Amino acid sequence: DTAVSQTPKYLVTQMGNDKSIKCEQNLGHDTMYWYKQDSKKFLKIMFSYNNKELIINETVPNRFSPKSPDKAHLNLHINSLELGDSAVYFCASSPRFGGMNTEAFFGQGTRLTVV
Amino acid sequence: LAKTTQPISMDSYEGQEVNITCSHNNIATNDYITWYQQFPSQGPRFIIQGYKTKVTNEVASLFIPADRKSSTLSLPRVSLSDTAVYYCLVGDIRAGNNRKLIWGLGTSLAVNP
Repeated sequence: DTAVSQTPKYLVTQMGNDKSIKCEQNLGHDTMYWYKQDSKKFLKIMFSYNNKELIINETVPNRFSPKSPDKAHLNLHINSLELGDSAVYFCASSPRFGGMNTEAFFGQGTRLTVV
Repeated sequence: LAKTTQPISMDSYEGQEVNITCSHNNIATNDYITWYQQFPSQGPRFIIQGYKTKVTNEVASLFIPADRKSSTLSLPRVSLSDTAVYYCLVGDIRAGNNRKLIWGLGTSLAVNP
């Protein structure tokens, strides 16, 4: 059983399109995250939800909109895709938000390529 | 920002002990030190976390001196499968913008036969 699963694994799309990436965790964790890893391998947090409540909303374009229908799911919708959005997007979850023993479990990533 | 400095790359051989040191001079009182491992085309994987002194688990040890301005991840008897990028993070994700967990470029460890 995959702990944190995200779909699709690969996504190739044209500029201007709208796309969604889905994430599900079966670990019973309270907190979920979206990270972006660019071509230079920098990992940056984008959003975090704790018990379905948005708690981290980093400086990302408002074309990116997360949605958490329940504690186990955190989806990422991206409007009007741009070339610069090409990256690997990781979903992650942790038992709680911050503090000790809050190791994050990451999904396998979604490689988004905008052409 | 809770900035960390670690070597860009390291080389080792199978069976050796590898120590990767991370410098974090501006660590704050409430900050934790966390290490992750990332293989190509995979998400990062948690290795170990500590606050002070020494922490050991089944895969690694983390040594933190009293001033907490640095930390050393120790991997005993590495194998080829330990070839990966290792990230040192300092901070607390609950904190304000200046203390959030910042991911650097990590240390690319190459284990040779």
